[in-house]
Amino acid sequence: NAGVMQNPRHLVRRRGQEARLRCSPMKGHSHVYWYRQLPEEGLKFMVYLQKENIIDESGMPKERFSAEFPKEGPSILRIQQVVRGDSAAYFCASSPLAGEVDTGELFFGEGSRLTVL
Amino acid sequence: QQQVKQSPQSLIVQKGGISIINCAYENTAFDYFPWYQQFPGKGPALLIAIRPDVSEKKEGRFTISFNKSAKQFSLHIMDSQPGDSATYFCAAPNNAGNMLTFGGGTRLMVKP
Repeated sequence: NAGVMQNPRHLVRRRGQEARLRCSPMKGHSHVYWYRQLPEEGLKFMVYLQKENIIDESGMPKERFSAEFPKEGPSILRIQQVVRGDSAAYFCASSPLAGEVDTGELFFGEGSRLTVL
Repeated sequence: QQQVKQSPQSLIVQKGGISIINCAYENTAFDYFPWYQQFPGKGPALLIAIRPDVSEKKEGRFTISFNKSAKQFSLHIMDSQPGDSATYFCAAPNNAGNMLTFGGGTRLMVKP
């Protein structure tokens, strides 16, 4: 049973380009979370999605960032017009349960490390 | 919004010693407090979690102590080993119970 798969593992972009990060949850999981980890900092919640729905995007920057989790295919975190401050590790986590984190664990991928030159 | 404060930011312990990491949270309608462990270049993984119908939970060398009235919980690593060197995150559910808010992390180094 494969774990949470994220790709690319490393991505380098120049300022102004677009970054697309993909996340395939564990088999049977329909809840996806995106977190951002800045160097030497903790994990900051960005967005929580279920298939075809954004449930909570309170941690997403208002501009340039978007996320989706289509009926078919992986979840995608999209960053338009990247800036140096977007350089970070972006982690995806999935859960099999009905969005109540107190009933079980989050399973994290190994992250996508974005570097903006 | 849930806030979780974790201390210390970094910790150095000799092999065989006890590592103690503390967390404080604000409010939560959901009593579930996990600790995640992250090795360099990897994603976080659940280490141990407590539901505070008990004040303490032990799994091997790892123990969570919980103080509900103080809104604090801590991780104790007994007989710390070099392989325990990692970053540790505490977490608490938000008020909606639909996502985890993480503390800032503690970088633990266990010296041989």
